[in-house]
Amino acid sequence: DGGITQSPKYLFRKEGQNVTLSCEQNLNHDAMYWYRQDPGQGLRLIYYSQIVNDFQKGDIAEGYSVSREKKESFPLTVTSAQKNPTAFYLCASSIGQGAYGYTFGSGTRLTVV
Amino acid sequence: KQEVTQIPAALSVPEGENLVLNCSFTDSAIYNLQWFRQDPGKGLTSLLLIQSSQREQTSGRLNASLDKSSGRSTLYIAASQPGDSATYLCAVIKIKAAGNKLTFGGGTRVLVKP
Repeated sequence: DGGITQSPKYLFRKEGQNVTLSCEQNLNHDAMYWYRQDPGQGLRLIYYSQIVNDFQKGDIAEGYSVSREKKESFPLTVTSAQKNPTAFYLCASSIGQGAYGYTFGSGTRLTVV
Repeated sequence: KQEVTQIPAALSVPEGENLVLNCSFTDSAIYNLQWFRQDPGKGLTSLLLIQSSQREQTSGRLNASLDKSSGRSTLYIAASQPGDSATYLCAVIKIKAAGNKLTFGGGTRVLVKP
C-alpha cells in the first residue's frame, strides 16, 4: 500500500543534541512538507520541498534543517538551536502543490529530557 | 492572510445522532478544501477533498459541502458511532508560487457517547 512512513514514533532528545526525524513516501508525490503540532496552536509549517534538491522555509523554520536528496525522502533535523522542540511532528506529501489534497504520515512525538 | 475557524471547538453527542461540523475561512480564493480526522497521538487521515468547483462530496456516512462565496464548509456525519470520536480538522488549499499553501482550522473535538 502506498503511504508515508515516519520514524521513529517516539524520540527523546537531550539538551544540546541534534536529532533527525525520518519521512519516507512511496506515493511518487513531488512535494513534501514538515508540520509541527502543539496543543492549542494547530499545525504550523516548518519546511517544504516541491522538487528534489530544493526546499523552502515555512513559517517556523528557525532551529530546523532539512534535505531532499531523493524524491521519496525528506528528513528533518531538529538542532540544538531549537529552544522548545517538544512537539508532535507530522510529515506530508502532495502531487504538485496540493490540487489533489495532502497525505499525512502517522507522526513522531519528540520530547526533550 | 487566510484564517480558518472551526466552531464548535468541542462537541459531545449520544450515539446515533447526526454530527454537524462547521469550518469558515476568510479568503474565498481557495483551490480546494480538505477534511481530516485525527485520533489522539496519531497522524491525520484524509476524509474528503472538495475541489473549488464542487459544491459537495460524499463518502459513506460523510458528506461535506462547500460554499466559497460565503467562506463556509460543513461536514455532516450521519448516525454517529462511538468510533467517530476524534478531532476533525478542515484545511483550505491555495495554489501560489511560494509559501504556505495549506491553512488549518483549530479543529473540533468530537465525543460520541454509547
